[in-house]
Amino acid sequence: EAGVVQSPRYKIIEKKQPVAFWCNPISGHNTLYWYRQNLGQGPELLIRYENEEAVDDSQLPKDRFSAERLKGVDSTLKIQPAELGDSAVYLCASSLVSGDAGELFFGEGSRLTVL
Amino acid sequence: AQSVTQLGSHVSVSEGALVLLRCNYSSSVPPYLFWYVQYPNQGLQLLLKYTTGATLVKGINGFEAEFKKSETSFHLTKPSAHMSDAAEYFCAVRKTGANNLFFGTGTRLTVIP
Repeated sequence: EAGVVQSPRYKIIEKKQPVAFWCNPISGHNTLYWYRQNLGQGPELLIRYENEEAVDDSQLPKDRFSAERLKGVDSTLKIQPAELGDSAVYLCASSLVSGDAGELFFGEGSRLTVL
Repeated sequence: AQSVTQLGSHVSVSEGALVLLRCNYSSSVPPYLFWYVQYPNQGLQLLLKYTTGATLVKGINGFEAEFKKSETSFHLTKPSAHMSDAAEYFCAVRKTGANNLFFGTGTRLTVIP
C-alpha cells in the first residue's frame, strides 16, 4: 500500500515568491493534516481536514497561507508571498480516523528554503 | 493546555548500550501518548503508543515505553542500541477526545560504534 506522497521534496525560492506543496494521503484516509517543522523543533499543526472540510485551521497564518482539499482526497498548501521565516519542512499526514489513538501516517515532507 | 518536554536535545550512546530518551507531559487528564522516529530526510514513523490498559508498551525495533501517571512521564527505552537506531525521536501527546497531536522538540540519538 502506498504511503502519504508529497511533492516537491525540496524547493528553494526567493522571498516574496509564491510556493505550493501537494499531498496525496493514503487511500481511504478521511483526515488530512499539514504540519510545519522548523529546524530543531517538533512538528506543529497548521491545518486539519475531515474529508474536504477544514475543521481546525487556528494555527494557519491566513494572511499568506492557504490550503484546499478538493474532493476530500489530495490537498495543496500554498504560501504567497513567502517570507524568510517560512523556511521549514512542511509535513503532510493522514489518518483513518481522527482523534483518540488514531495513528497518523506522515509523508517525507517538503523542505522549503526561502532566500 | 497540552505540552510535552523532552529532556536532552542530543543523546549519545555506545552500540550495545541502553537507550533512554525522556519525555514528560503536562495534562489535566491522562492523555494518549506516542513516540515517533524520524530518520534523515524522511517523515515520522510511529514507534509505539499508549492509550489505555497496560502501562508498559512495546513498539517496533525493540523499543518500549512505560506510562507513569504519578511522574507524568513516558520515557522510551531500548536495552541494546544498534547503529540503525540513530535518528530523531519525538514524543507526542493527544488529549482524549481531541484531535491534535502536540509534539516535543525532539531528541537526536547518536550511536557510537
